Amino acid sequence: QLQLQESGPGLVKPSETLSLTCTVSGGSISSGAFFWAWVRQPPGKGLEWIASVYYGGSAYYNPSLKSRVTISVDTSNNQFSVKLSSVTAADTAVYYCARQERGFGELFQLDTWGQGILVTVSS
Amino acid sequence: QSVLTQPPSVSAAPGQKVTISCSGSSSNIGNHYVSWYRQLPGTAPILLIYKNDERPSGIPDRFSGSKSVTSATLGITGLQTGDEADYYCGTWDGSLGAVFGGGTKLTVL
Repeated sequence: QLQLQESGPGLVKPSETLSLTCTVSGGSISSGAFFWAWVRQPPGKGLEWIASVYYGGSAYYNPSLKSRVTISVDTSNNQFSVKLSSVTAADTAVYYCARQERGFGELFQLDTWGQGILVTVSS
Repeated sequence: QSVLTQPPSVSAAPGQKVTISCSGSSSNIGNHYVSWYRQLPGTAPILLIYKNDERPSGIPDRFSGSKSVTSATLGITGLQTGDEADYYCGTWDGSLGAVFGGGTKLTVL
């Protein structure tokens, strides 16, 4: 059974870089049928897609975050990661990693999610 | 302001049916598959419906999805108190990537 688990610091200072890693177990991140995604949810608000990466390294980004986001994959450790730079209080959210089915020039549903990790941006 | 528009809340009595709408445009719903997610308080979303009307294994047939032009609908029959949750629609947008609706809170009266 596929499982995803987020890890990283729960507290980040303003202007610094938020770094999170998602460890995939019960399946290979190198499966050609899927991208690997990050989605966030500010407290009391809705879902916001951040970015998605393929095991080969190609990626899609949310245009509103693209200038601050780097997404990467580590196939040897079955992990993928996201970095968000120059964070502010508005980046405080629960961050989820998820598996996303690959299409042709598009991505489909997020079918498996991690439990989420709360990241607070505060000095 | 979400790209996809959902009603903030819906309610119905136990055993009844409820529908949740999701409105978009030709750049998203009009040309791409729609998926639906359920999020219980304090937990991660789970996939309910994918590719407009498909149910993942383990999702009961009380849940259904449909799509018409630039809108989609989630239907839930035989409502149970355990169905109280937030429901989100999602799709792909040709310019924006993956997008979601703002979410609909379902109350089972």
